[in-house]
Amino acid sequence: NAGVTQTPKFRVLKTGQSMTLLCAQDMNHEYMYWYRQDPGMGLRLIHYSVGEGTTAKGEVPDGYNVSRLKKQNFLLGLESAAPSQTSVYFCASSNRPGLAGSEQFFGPGTRLTVL
Amino acid sequence: GESVGLHLPTLSVQEGDNSIINCAYSNSASDYFIWYKQESGKGPQFIIDIRSNMDKRQGQRVTVLLNKTVKHLSLQIAATQPGDSAVYFCAEKKAGNTGKLIFGQGTTLQVKP
Repeated sequence: NAGVTQTPKFRVLKTGQSMTLLCAQDMNHEYMYWYRQDPGMGLRLIHYSVGEGTTAKGEVPDGYNVSRLKKQNFLLGLESAAPSQTSVYFCASSNRPGLAGSEQFFGPGTRLTVL
Repeated sequence: GESVGLHLPTLSVQEGDNSIINCAYSNSASDYFIWYKQESGKGPQFIIDIRSNMDKRQGQRVTVLLNKTVKHLSLQIAATQPGDSAVYFCAEKKAGNTGKLIFGQGTTLQVKP
């Protein structure tokens, strides 16, 4: 199993450009999450999904949109990138809370720079 | 407000010694507390968790202690090895069905040979 994979690994954008980050998991997990990590800080939740076709806002959702059209994929979109969105983005997935193996499994991250 | 924080940004230990990484939290409405390890250039990796109604849990070379009276969480690593060098994050999982985590800022563990 590949676990959680993220595409791309690195990206440089100009202010105002748009892009989509792709997260895929092959563990049949119901729940998926998008976080951002800024230097010297912990992870902050952007958006999450508790099942196919559902999404919800996290702690820092402004400037981002998400979609969960397929159970195994969770897309994070930036419609008009800003320098404040320069960060490392992590995707995670998990089983439903309360079930065995409900800890979150993280992908390797996408390093995004907005100029 | 809600916050999960670590007491020290960097901890340096000698190889073979025991390490203790501390974390303070302010939100009592959580059902699990979790420790993650993040190596350079990688995503966080689950180490161990503890349910809020427990005060101690042991894993392989790791022990997590939870003191709800003073809202304090610690991770003890026995016989620290060079491969343990990483950033360690505590996180709390909010009660309910969302699985949402609140992360602390992280402590860097440096293991000296």
